[in-house]
Amino acid sequence: GDSVTQMEGPVTLSEEAFLTINCTYTATGYPSLFWYVQYPGEGLQLLLKATKADDKGSNKGFEATYRKETTSFHLEKGSVQVSDSAVYFCALSDRNNAGNMLTFGGGTRLMVKP
Amino acid sequence: DGGITQSPKYLFRKEGQNVTLSCEQNLNHDAMYWYRQDPGQGLRLIYYSQIVNDFQKGDIAEGYSVSREKKESFPLTVTSAQKNPTAFYLCASSSQHRGSGANVLTFGAGSRLTVL
Repeated sequence: GDSVTQMEGPVTLSEEAFLTINCTYTATGYPSLFWYVQYPGEGLQLLLKATKADDKGSNKGFEATYRKETTSFHLEKGSVQVSDSAVYFCALSDRNNAGNMLTFGGGTRLMVKP
Repeated sequence: DGGITQSPKYLFRKEGQNVTLSCEQNLNHDAMYWYRQDPGQGLRLIYYSQIVNDFQKGDIAEGYSVSREKKESFPLTVTSAQKNPTAFYLCASSSQHRGSGANVLTFGAGSRLTVL
């Protein structure tokens, strides 16, 4: 079945540091890939997505490139801020699976210190 | 503004009691979902519904029940049969069905259930 693996957190960075959160996946079909963000005490919000190989999703300074050859979708940001502190979830949806369900990774907590 | 409303935000329950969590959306989405989130863990699918009057079990449906009598509403009942119900519950909706492309979910703010 489909699965998503993320690097375990927490990831602790100083403000303006470079961020990478690794995400790899396995899927039977040709999935779409997503990053969601969850701020403390809230639900998840879509951060960015990519629907085909070599697509780059971007939003709020975050980027991720769909790499089919390495089955990866790593999240990057050049300069993090304290306000980026949150939990980040990598996910995929595979249209070949019943219901086109999303499969989520375990989440990675990011803590940015001033 | 369109969105998903979950209530209550916090709920306390005594052991042996059933509780119902509300989820309402005004996005005109066909599909709705319930997820459970435990501390430090990812999301696990409880139930989902792709159309009114129809719903399917997810990965951890035991001890839960749902109904989908209206397109806008998808309440979740946590029954006394659920052995460890303390968790954060997230409702979501989407307009995508199987085979129609990227399934982008919109989430509510969540309901935190604590069993005393």
